Amino acid sequence: EDKVVQSPLSLVVHEGDTVTLNCSYEVTNFRSLLWYKQEKKAPTFLFMLTSSGIEKKSGRLSSILDKKELFSILNITATQTGDSAVYLCAVDSSSNTGKLIFGQGTTLQVKP
Amino acid sequence: KAGVTQTPRYLIKTRGQQVTLSCSPISGHRSVSWYQQTPGQGLQFLFEYFSETQRNKGNFPGRFSGRQFSNSRSEMNVSTLELGDSALYLCASSEGTGGKNIQYFGAGTRLSVL
Repeated sequence: EDKVVQSPLSLVVHEGDTVTLNCSYEVTNFRSLLWYKQEKKAPTFLFMLTSSGIEKKSGRLSSILDKKELFSILNITATQTGDSAVYLCAVDSSSNTGKLIFGQGTTLQVKP
Repeated sequence: KAGVTQTPRYLIKTRGQQVTLSCSPISGHRSVSWYQQTPGQGLQFLFEYFSETQRNKGNFPGRFSGRQFSNSRSEMNVSTLELGDSALYLCASSEGTGGKNIQYFGAGTRLSVL
C-alpha cells in the first residue's frame, strides 16, 4: 500500500530558529513530491520536486528530494511567527489521475 | 486569475440527509480532485474528474459521488449522511495533463453532521 510518513508530527521553536521537516514515502510509481502549507483552510502550494538532488528554494524555505532513499526534507531558516502552520507532504504516484497521497502533516508553532 | 472557489463554506446537516458541495476550478484547469480532511485520517483522496469523466476513485463508500460539468465546475454529493462524514472537504484543480501537474486547493467546505 502506498504510504507517506512525516516527522516530527509537531514542533515548537522560537523565532530565528532553523527547522527541518521530514517526509519519507513508499509508493509503487513515483512521479513527484509536493509540499504544501496549511494555515487556516486551504493548503497553499510551496514546492514540487521530481528529480533527486535538486534543491528548490524560495526565500527562507528550501527543499530537497532523495529518490534513492525515498525521502524529502523541507528547511525553514530564520523562522517567523507567520511560518506557524501545518506543513503537508504529498506524493503523486499516478499517471494524470489526480490522486495525491498525503502524509499526516507536521504542525509547526513558532513562538516570538 | 481567480483561485479555486468552494461553496458553501460551512454546512450543518443531520444524519440521514444528503448534501451537495460545489467547486469552481481555476480558469483553464480541466481536472478537479476532491479530498476529505479529518484530524484522525488527514487528507484522504475521494475522486478526480477530468473533462467530465471520473478518472480515479478513492476507497470511500458509494454514498460519496461526484460529477463534472462542461465548464469544469464539479459537484460532490454525499447521501445518507453519517456522523463520521463530519470533515473539511477540499477540492483541488490542476491542468490535468503533462508532467508538472500541480494541484491548487480551495478553502474547503466544513461539513458538520449532527
